[in-house]
Amino acid sequence: KAGVTQTPRYLIKTRGQQVTLSCSPISGHRSVSWYQQTPGQGLQFLFEYFSETQRNKGNFPGRFSGRQFSNSRSEMNVSTLELGDSALYLCASSDGVNTAFFGQGTRLTVV
Amino acid sequence: LAKTTQPISMDSYEGQEVNITCSHNNIATNDYITWYQQFPSQGPRFIIQGYKTKVTNEVASLFIPADRKSSTLSLPRVSLSDTAVYYCLVGEAGRRALTFGSGTRLQVQP
Repeated sequence: KAGVTQTPRYLIKTRGQQVTLSCSPISGHRSVSWYQQTPGQGLQFLFEYFSETQRNKGNFPGRFSGRQFSNSRSEMNVSTLELGDSALYLCASSDGVNTAFFGQGTRLTVV
Repeated sequence: LAKTTQPISMDSYEGQEVNITCSHNNIATNDYITWYQQFPSQGPRFIIQGYKTKVTNEVASLFIPADRKSSTLSLPRVSLSDTAVYYCLVGEAGRRALTFGSGTRLQVQP
């Protein structure tokens, strides 16, 4: 079974731009969660989607948004990028019953 | 959510057994204990999950005392490749909004 796939692996953007990150969950998993990891704040929960609906949301500004498609693939969007948005963005997939499995992450650098 | 407390860092040598203890005094009845391993610039990797007593898989063992207020991850005969950050999480099985603490940075020396 293929694992969680995140694309792209690395990304460099300029302040003020927007970015879209993609996550393909493990086949059969309908839950996709997103996390941001920075040296200062550690691993923080952004939001979770299940069957195309956002079920949980962390404490992040509205510039961070996401969506999930009918095939369970998910995208995360960050608008009006700030330097502080530089981070490793992680996606995790779950069947909703058992533990979550993470992808390799997307390293976003905002310059 | 039950808060967890782990040592910030630990050092070991190749071939030794490493035990990382996590305190979770406010663990709820429905909560499970899950451990993840993370290498730099990679996503956390699931190691083991348990509810009570002892759980063992091909990678590690998890010891949970009867009161469940703490747990110990045991890594047998560590190697250099076990150098990583280890996170202890407590929450309902299948919970998807995971709360990560600071983790334990394990450094394995030759």
